[in-house]
Amino acid sequence: LAKTTQPISMDSYEGQEVNITCSHNNIATNDYITWYQQFPSQGPRFIIQGYKTKVTNEVASLFIPADRKSSTLSLPRVSLSDTAVYYCLVGGEYSGGYQKVTFGTGTKLQVIP
Amino acid sequence: EADIYQTPRYLVIGTGKKITLECSQTMGHDKMYWYQQDPGMELHLIHYSYGVNSTEKGDLSSESTVSRIRTEHFPLTLESARPSHTSQYLCASSESVGVGTGELFFGEGSRLTVL
Repeated sequence: LAKTTQPISMDSYEGQEVNITCSHNNIATNDYITWYQQFPSQGPRFIIQGYKTKVTNEVASLFIPADRKSSTLSLPRVSLSDTAVYYCLVGGEYSGGYQKVTFGTGTKLQVIP
Repeated sequence: EADIYQTPRYLVIGTGKKITLECSQTMGHDKMYWYQQDPGMELHLIHYSYGVNSTEKGDLSSESTVSRIRTEHFPLTLESARPSHTSQYLCASSESVGVGTGELFFGEGSRLTVL
């Protein structure tokens, strides 16, 4: 199981870019890196997934260095509605799928007006 | 938009009652999961299923049981609820993919309070 480590909490002002870094030193060759967002009293929601280099979609970017031992979720110009908990997950079908993936404690992002 | 539904959203019951939390998905996903989460805490996997007639226990020991008789339906049952069962229960589903982990789709959760 690839263990992940991410900051417990972060604060950011509205309009700023936020970068949340996750460490996963024992990531396996076939593992992917996935980020989820969770609002209070709701289930997590998929944000982005990547294997290496950079992935971008309409809400975020994911940067993965060549050694893949860490990854950074980048949220451009955050708003108050981005206040949530962000989870970094590492795993893949060849590692046992979600039954072998842990959500951990996540990073609680507080966006300040 | 995710098509996975949980009922009830909120349930307050007395100790010793039997309860069933319902979860249904209309996406045809073969994999389904139940997670337990206390406020501000981690999600813990308590049950999962690869498909019809397949159920497995997750990492967190739970006194609940599950069944998977139909692809779209994955109910969770507590035969005799206790205050220690008070928590939020989240159901999720995903499809098998060749690489990565696929996307987990979550329901809105069932918040259970046992008095």
